[in-house]
Amino acid sequence: DADVTQTPRNRITKTGKRIMLECSQTKGHDRMYWYRQDPGLGLRLIYYSFDVKDINKGEISDGYSVSRQAQAKFSLSLESAIPNQTALYFCAVGQLYEQYFGPGTRLTVT
Amino acid sequence: QKEVEQDPGPLSVPEGAIVSLNCTYSNSAFQYFMWYRQYSRKGPELLMYTYSSGNKEDGRFTAQVDKSSKYISLFIRDSQPSDSATYLCAMSEGGSEKLVFGKGTKLTVNP
Repeated sequence: DADVTQTPRNRITKTGKRIMLECSQTKGHDRMYWYRQDPGLGLRLIYYSFDVKDINKGEISDGYSVSRQAQAKFSLSLESAIPNQTALYFCAVGQLYEQYFGPGTRLTVT
Repeated sequence: QKEVEQDPGPLSVPEGAIVSLNCTYSNSAFQYFMWYRQYSRKGPELLMYTYSSGNKEDGRFTAQVDKSSKYISLFIRDSQPSDSATYLCAMSEGGSEKLVFGKGTKLTVNP
């Protein structure tokens, strides 16, 4: 009964493959976010969305795209994965000052 | 100079100790200051947030913001082994959707 769920939790893929990470929430928040976390670099914002029709780039959007299918669903895609996209990816929901994070997806690109 | 600096530790303390975690920042426009706790293999969870300068207390946790020194702190009293985690500071400008995170400090509380 987690409020923010992410699928898959772990994924290994090859360079050049397309991959989609999915996030869904039951908290009813309009704002959703995608972050990546790398050792030594901390959390960095990739994309964020205020609602289904409002998508915005974050700090590091190159190589990524997103889709907000519904208020509760926000997907992150890597069109052609590369090894330096190996990282831990988190979805978050809420307003800026109170964000609730999902459990994360560990992505490895070989 | 990075926008947010946080000592990565690791920090190891005995159970019952008072823990002090700190971040410094360079952007004087930051107005909102947050502390998140992240257990291993879990997502970050919000502990506290503070607007502008001052103190905020929640149980064993106290957050302090000193905007004149561009310095924020999180104090944990009577630390417990269950407090063992990585603590992330985060901050943002008013009206901005961008949260800037510190790299996190790894804390271990030994029984």
